[in-house]
Amino acid sequence: GAVVSQHPSRVICKSGTSVKIECRSLDFQATTMFWYRQFPKQSLMLMATSNEGSKATYEQGVEKDKFLINHASLTLSTLTVTSAHPEDSSFYICSAEATGVGYGYTFGSGTRLTVV
Amino acid sequence: AQSATQPDIHITVSEGASLELRCNYSYGATPYLFWYVQSPGQGLQLLLKYFSGDTLVQGIKGFEAEFKRSQSSFNLRKPSVHWSDAAEYFCAVGPPLQGAQKLVFGQGTRLTINP
Repeated sequence: GAVVSQHPSRVICKSGTSVKIECRSLDFQATTMFWYRQFPKQSLMLMATSNEGSKATYEQGVEKDKFLINHASLTLSTLTVTSAHPEDSSFYICSAEATGVGYGYTFGSGTRLTVV
Repeated sequence: AQSATQPDIHITVSEGASLELRCNYSYGATPYLFWYVQSPGQGLQLLLKYFSGDTLVQGIKGFEAEFKRSQSSFNLRKPSVHWSDAAEYFCAVGPPLQGAQKLVFGQGTRLTINP
């Protein structure tokens, strides 16, 4: 079945540094991937849509210069949190559409980011 | 704008009891509907989805959901819950279009199972 691998699962970084999170589709090609953010005990909020070979589309209120998205291949999208601050601490989850499997995105296992 | 509403933030049931988690959606037409489950610190696993056709959808882990257009609902059910079903459950709605589309999630319902 369609599998999305997300790495790292947990990361702790110092305030002011940058962190990169990877999202890979392991057994299918994903033209489009989605990045979500989830605060504790809350729902998922879409941050941006990542399109292979083109610029990402950000949701309203999401700082594109802070959350850099690169979708350089059909199996890899990365989210870089630049100049991280404690308020960026959150759970980040990616998802990808497995074309042909049917509408219903496959989700990665998430990344817990803690900025200290 | 499309939306999904889960009116119950937290539900507690006894092991072996039946379960129903509520989800109401708002959309101009019949959307695509989904139920996902999330264990603590984990990503989301798709339980089932509805696109069209039979309004009673069977999913994994013994779950089913029924689409009711007149009530704009897509409630998730299980006849007998197991302790391993304790998790967070999200319904989601997406436009009835092929190709990658945005999903909008409900607020989630946390399910606790009493032994």
